[in-house]
Amino acid sequence: DAGITQSPRHKVTETGTPVTLRCHQTENHRYMYWYRQDPGHGLRLIHYSYGVKDTDKGEVSDGYSVSRSKTEDFLLTLESATSSQTSVYFCAITQREAEGEQFFGPGTRLTVL
Amino acid sequence: SQKIEQNSEALNIQEGKTATLTCNYTNYSPAYLQWYRQDPGRGPVFLLLIRENEKEKRKERLKVTFDTTLKQSLFHITASQPADSATYLCAPQGGNNRLAFGKGIQVVVIP
Repeated sequence: DAGITQSPRHKVTETGTPVTLRCHQTENHRYMYWYRQDPGHGLRLIHYSYGVKDTDKGEVSDGYSVSRSKTEDFLLTLESATSSQTSVYFCAITQREAEGEQFFGPGTRLTVL
Repeated sequence: SQKIEQNSEALNIQEGKTATLTCNYTNYSPAYLQWYRQDPGRGPVFLLLIRENEKEKRKERLKVTFDTTLKQSLFHITASQPADSATYLCAPQGGNNRLAFGKGIQVVVIP
């Protein structure tokens, strides 16, 4: 168990509403990632963080923002949710960016109606 | 464009046999490649990492090969067991040193 939790685990929301997903780690790992996973696609990186207040975009960052004010928490925000953002969201952590094995959280299933 | 191809069809295999999964990539030059296992409703779990200068890596009943000329990695599960049933993800190093994940291939081990 890598000490990584995600909340909420399930959420149903309506189009146009803001949504924030939380990733919390107890391992003090430097690097944190947000992915989405959809049928027919591999895990796709949304945003990642390499330290407190240091974040960068991944390949599918449009419509998402992130914040990391503490080492242990990485927040993903959908400012105005759309149906195309219905997905399973995974948070991951790693101690080393190069070659580092990633530890994944249990996922958040988000449905946007 | 960059692409990672894993066998698109699920792999059904008899218990005790060796399962071989293929990961092909294009327009990547990974210095390393990782393999993960994912069970339904759960996050991926790291299995193995292989570097470009390593031809083969083993861990218990798992074996991974990495051919940078063919741009291919093979993942073998020997003496497969029903508990090995899962989806297996290939993840070569991508741009900016971040992992790029394939879609995965589902393995079903039949008792």
